Amino acid sequence: EPEVTQTPSHQVTQMGQEVILRCVPISNHLYFYWYRQILGQKVEFLVSFYNNEISEKSEIFDDQFSVERPDGSNFTLKIRSTKLEDSAMYFCASSPRYGGGGNQPQHFGDGTRLSIL
Amino acid sequence: TQLLEQSPQFLSIQEGENLTVYCNSSSVFSSLQWYRQEPGEGPVLLVTVVTGGEVKKLKRLTFQFGDARKDSSLHITAAQPGDTGLYLCAGKDNDYKLSFGAGTTVTVRA
Repeated sequence: EPEVTQTPSHQVTQMGQEVILRCVPISNHLYFYWYRQILGQKVEFLVSFYNNEISEKSEIFDDQFSVERPDGSNFTLKIRSTKLEDSAMYFCASSPRYGGGGNQPQHFGDGTRLSIL
Repeated sequence: TQLLEQSPQFLSIQEGENLTVYCNSSSVFSSLQWYRQEPGEGPVLLVTVVTGGEVKKLKRLTFQFGDARKDSSLHITAAQPGDTGLYLCAGKDNDYKLSFGAGTTVTVRA
């Protein structure tokens, strides 16, 4: 069964450094998302992306964050200058089609654990 | 952001017993999805419910969406140790983001 793949599985970075998290969504999917889960807390929406532009972003997704689809397969999340509070699991998700009355489920990768020192 | 409250937070039962997990909100959702998450892994989709009053069955799991599309339940019949895990509900209030509940940790003892 097709799946969303994320790399690396664990990233350790010094505070203030830039980090890029990578995702390969399911191949025929058109909508891409990033979520994060701070240890012990809920999964939180960060951003959605369609047709090479951001569809929606949360208040968490400030100027330090950016997303890009540099080629036909990868979807990346960049954090420009990491802070201690950016430590979390970051999940990429994709769905095949917009809306459709909400019938299009989002499929998640296994996440990247980001640890900021 | 629409809030989803899951209850109970923790549930520990003996193999063979039944259990129900609840997911409630004051907001209406266009759809609601149930996921199961294992430690160190991402949420795995179990089911999507869309229509108010809808009931979906997945082997021993029964999912129901409330008539008003504000709440949902997951019922597991004759639970097995393999059902142990974190169960998450997530509501879609528009066509983009999912709002997640905090999850219910289910432990089924052999």
